[in-house]
Amino acid sequence: DTEVTQTPKHLVMGMTNKKSLKCEQHMGHRAMYWYKQKAKKPPELMFVYSYEKLSINESVPSRFSPECPNSSLLNLHLHALQPEDSALYLCASSQDYLIRTDTQYFGPGTRLTVL
Amino acid sequence: AQSVAQPEDQVNVAEGNPLTVKCTYSVSGNPYLFWYVQYPNRGLQFLLKYITGDNLVKGSYGFEAEFNKSQTSFHLKKPSALVSDSALYFCAVRDRDDKIIFGKGTRLHILP
Repeated sequence: DTEVTQTPKHLVMGMTNKKSLKCEQHMGHRAMYWYKQKAKKPPELMFVYSYEKLSINESVPSRFSPECPNSSLLNLHLHALQPEDSALYLCASSQDYLIRTDTQYFGPGTRLTVL
Repeated sequence: AQSVAQPEDQVNVAEGNPLTVKCTYSVSGNPYLFWYVQYPNRGLQFLLKYITGDNLVKGSYGFEAEFNKSQTSFHLKKPSALVSDSALYFCAVRDRDDKIIFGKGTRLHILP
């Protein structure tokens, strides 16, 4: 089973709201990722967690706050977002980030609209 | 820096015909190359990857890719296209910093 699940599927929020995106995998993977994807563009890496520790932050604004409560779960907390943050947010997982042949498996994404 | 290029924004193929989606790469050292497919409003699905060994890599849904070191290419192929293959295809390479770098994507239209 190579399934990564994400909730919610769609989210509409105002610029003053606080919301969270959730991601879960039960493949025993030790690396989890957040990507942002604008329409008709490739995904852009935001964060990488390896063994539940934040390994990479691609200079993402602090209004995005990731959290990895355990090896199966990854959250993205959102606060005071801007309309330009509207996008498809993709979660991915892989066996071990430091293995160069590692394959990432993606969830279906959360479509976020910021009003 | 490692990179991949997908020279075609869109490829149109008649159903039943062979298809090719092009990808070229620029890496230092051994290339680790991937193909992903994205259907509308969905996440990316892994199709196949090249690590080492046989230049012809077989993947999911009848797709295969040919690694060509001299031409620095990793083209995605399928002998007979289906309408359901219509989607956005991304070539990707493993960066020296262990990140995945995606190409800009190629939209594949299979015409009935």
